[in-house]
Amino acid sequence: SQKIEQNSEALNIQEGKTATLTCNYTNYSPAYLQWYRQDPGRGPVFLLLIRENEKEKRKERLKVTFDTTLKQSLFHITASQPADSATYLCALQSYDFNKFYFGSGTKLNVKP
Amino acid sequence: EPEVTQTPSHQVTQMGQEVILRCVPISNHLYFYWYRQILGQKVEFLVSFYNNEISEKSEIFDDQFSVERPDGSNFTLKIRSTKLEDSAMYFCASSEEGTGNQPQHFGDGTRLSIL
Repeated sequence: SQKIEQNSEALNIQEGKTATLTCNYTNYSPAYLQWYRQDPGRGPVFLLLIRENEKEKRKERLKVTFDTTLKQSLFHITASQPADSATYLCALQSYDFNKFYFGSGTKLNVKP
Repeated sequence: EPEVTQTPSHQVTQMGQEVILRCVPISNHLYFYWYRQILGQKVEFLVSFYNNEISEKSEIFDDQFSVERPDGSNFTLKIRSTKLEDSAMYFCASSEEGTGNQPQHFGDGTRLSIL
């Protein structure tokens, strides 16, 4: 199985700064890695997907990197806003694609 | 934008009773999933379902659990004899394909409370 580690401590940053969240995994490198946002009492919402042969992916203020050597993905939010405050989850698939593993998530607090 | 809908939003059940959680996935999606999230903990995979059969299930998904797609739109999770530790949020998700190349679309969950 796959073990995924995300920083369990909340990340507190000032509005306008860049937030950087980390996802480390311990076993095989997945073909794809996904990032989701979860608000309290809601289901996860898909944000970005990156493939193993991609080093970096961008979407508006979001950027994801994927380093299969380090077994790590970094998720960046630039020019952060209070509305970005949420828990961000990293997700990987099992080797046979039938099962997904989620990290425990990192809570981001953006202060005005 | 199409979305996954789940009913009920909150279910309160006595221990030992059967409960059925319902989901309507996005209509052109082929892969369906159930997850649970115990309060304050991570989202845990329960089961994946494709072509009217289970593709994969976790160790949590024991004989007390079953899934069904009774018609072309609904996808259900049944817990036969609920235990206190079944109390959690249950999320349904669907995707166009089963590879990690496609995002999963989640519903907003059913909060299951076992008394």
